Amino acid sequence: DVKVTQSSRYLVKRTGEKVFLECVQDMDHENMFWYRQDPGLGLRLIYFSYDVKMKEKGDIPEGYSVSREKKERFSLILESASTNQTSMYLCASRPGTVGWSALVSEKLFFGSGTQLSVL
Amino acid sequence: EDQVTQSPEALRLQEGESSSLNCSYTVSGLRGLFWYRQDPGKGPEFLFTLYSAGEEKEKERLKATLTKKESFLHITAPKPEDSATYLCAVHRYSSASKIIFGSGTRLSIRP
Repeated sequence: DVKVTQSSRYLVKRTGEKVFLECVQDMDHENMFWYRQDPGLGLRLIYFSYDVKMKEKGDIPEGYSVSREKKERFSLILESASTNQTSMYLCASRPGTVGWSALVSEKLFFGSGTQLSVL
Repeated sequence: EDQVTQSPEALRLQEGESSSLNCSYTVSGLRGLFWYRQDPGKGPEFLFTLYSAGEEKEKERLKATLTKKESFLHITAPKPEDSATYLCAVHRYSSASKIIFGSGTRLSIRP
């Protein structure tokens, strides 16, 4: 089974701190995603990476950056944490879409999430 | 604008009481529609992918169907362990990353 591991289950940080959320997947997937999940708002895409060192902004990238130096690892960085970044953060991965697979839609594999509280 | 709307927001059923969850979508060029299950404090877990109108998929007490404007997740004779939030998501052709999620339906099954 594919495993997507997020380094922390719960995290409490102070306003202004730099925060690193780490995600590792073990299935050699090309695509990796960072979402945040807030009640009533569903999952919103922060950043997407389609290959090593390649990234694409999602719907809500402001206040965040990402790093993908190795295929299996995708890091989300909060440059200066603010209280409105208190949320559940979910990492996901899936195979890349090349050839035949470009015609179908591959499912996402999610990590267990990191509940971040910024005080 | 692409949109995914799930209803109801919350649903409480008695064990054995069948019902349906709705996912209405507007998206330009549907590549796939997904259903996920999410337990409290965990990440979503994949259930089904549907690609074209008329398609149906089943897994245990769950059956997902798709039309050109909506999808239904039918739950037959549910058990308490089916209690979870069910998420619908759509993937459109124009973007590898553009997967739009609904806000989910919280399903609670009473014994």
